[in-house]
Amino acid sequence: AQSVTQPDIHITVSEGASLELRCNYSYGATPYLFWYVQSPGQGLQLLLKYFSGDTLVQGIKGFEAEFKRSQSSFNLRKPSVHWSDAAEYFCAVGPFGGTDKLIFGTGTRLQVFP
Amino acid sequence: GAGVSQSPSNKVTEKGKDVELRCDPISGHTALYWYRQSLGQGLEFLIYFQGNSAPDKSGLPSDRFSAERTGGSVSTLTIQRTQQEDSAVYLCASSLATGLAGGSVTQYFGPGTRLTVL
Repeated sequence: AQSVTQPDIHITVSEGASLELRCNYSYGATPYLFWYVQSPGQGLQLLLKYFSGDTLVQGIKGFEAEFKRSQSSFNLRKPSVHWSDAAEYFCAVGPFGGTDKLIFGTGTRLQVFP
Repeated sequence: GAGVSQSPSNKVTEKGKDVELRCDPISGHTALYWYRQSLGQGLEFLIYFQGNSAPDKSGLPSDRFSAERTGGSVSTLTIQRTQQEDSAVYLCASSLATGLAGGSVTQYFGPGTRLTVL
C-alpha cells in the first residue's frame, strides 16, 4: 500500500544551523513528491515538488529536496535555518487511481532556537 | 490572484448540532479536496471532486459527513449530529485537473476551519 513516513516527529535546531527533514515513501510507480509547510494557524503552503528530471529540486525560502529512488526518500534540506522557519512540515506523495489524491505524512514540527 | 478561501475560520458548536463549512477554490481549478487535520495528526483525506465526475467519497469517516460542490466551484462540507471526535481543522484544497501532467497535480490549500465540538 502507498504510504509516507516522516520518522521525526519533532526537531530542534539552532538558528543558522543546517537542516534535514526525512521523508520515506512507498509507491508502486514513479511518484510525484511534495513538501508543504504549515505555520501556526495557517493552511499549507507548497515549498517544492518533484515530478521528473533532475532529482535535486529547489523550492521557496531557500529549501531544496533530493529524490533518491534507491532509498525511496525525498528529504528536505536547508543550509542555514532562520527563526521564521519554525513550523510544521509535511511530505506528500501521489497521485492515485487517476485522481490528484495525495497521501501525506504525519508531519515534522521544527523548532528553531536563537 | 485570490487563493483558496474557507469560512468560517473558527466554529464552536455543541455536540449533536449540524455544521456547514464552506470552501471557495481558486478560480479555474476543477479539482477540489477536503482534508481533516486532528491534533498532532497528519492530513486525513475526506472527499475529492473533479469536474462533473462523481466525487470520491472514500475518505469520509461516517455517514454523518457529506459534501456538495455547486456549479463546479464552491463546496460545502456538512457534518450532522457533531461529536467531540469531529473536533479538528478542516482544510480545503484545489488543483487544476487530474494527475496526467505534473503541474496540474499541485494542490493549493486554504487556511482551514477550526471546528470545536463541546
